[in-house]
Amino acid sequence: GAVVSQHPSRVICKSGTSVKIECRSLDFQATTMFWYRQFPKKSLMLMATSNEGSKATYEQGVEKDKFLINHASLTLSTLTVTSAHPEDSSFYICSGLAGETDTQYFGPGTRLTVL
Amino acid sequence: GQNIDQPTEMTATEGAIVQINCTYQTSGFNGLFWYQQHAGEAPTFLSYNVLDGLEEKGRFSSFLSRSKGYSYLLLKELQMKDSASYLCAVTHGGGGNKLTFGTGTQLKVEL
Repeated sequence: GAVVSQHPSRVICKSGTSVKIECRSLDFQATTMFWYRQFPKKSLMLMATSNEGSKATYEQGVEKDKFLINHASLTLSTLTVTSAHPEDSSFYICSGLAGETDTQYFGPGTRLTVL
Repeated sequence: GQNIDQPTEMTATEGAIVQINCTYQTSGFNGLFWYQQHAGEAPTFLSYNVLDGLEEKGRFSSFLSRSKGYSYLLLKELQMKDSASYLCAVTHGGGGNKLTFGTGTQLKVEL
């Protein structure tokens, strides 16, 4: 199956700092990647669609200036949480589209804690 | 808008069979996915249905009825490691490949 990695797996930062999360497709090229966040015992909420070589498409209510997405290559998308605050603490998960059925394959997630 | 319903929790016995239902209302349906998610981990792909009928993959099978807006995931010969959240998700017209997830069904497998 298609493999997606994320780095870091866990990060703790101070309020006001910025955090970058990397999402890589290891054995396939992902023209499109997606970024989600998930709160405890809740389902995944799509934040944005990341397209290689173009601007990301953000879901309603997601601040594009706060959650910066860059998809500079077919195997790497990054999410930067700028000026993080405690309410940004969450589980961030990325996915890439692969296969004939355009199935989303998910990375292992990044747990962000903002103090 | 899109609406996907699943039971919140289910409990079943090791070795048994369990069926997890999912109903959906979407504006233009394309396909339905099932994912498994263990606590603290990312979802892993289980199955994809686009046509009516049953798709079987080992101990797991998934069924779809497009006319009824209904799907189920069937898990056979349950094992303790099957205790997880099972997420139903759909892709729909105008959404491209975006997935809309249900709230997930937390399955607990007991001895």
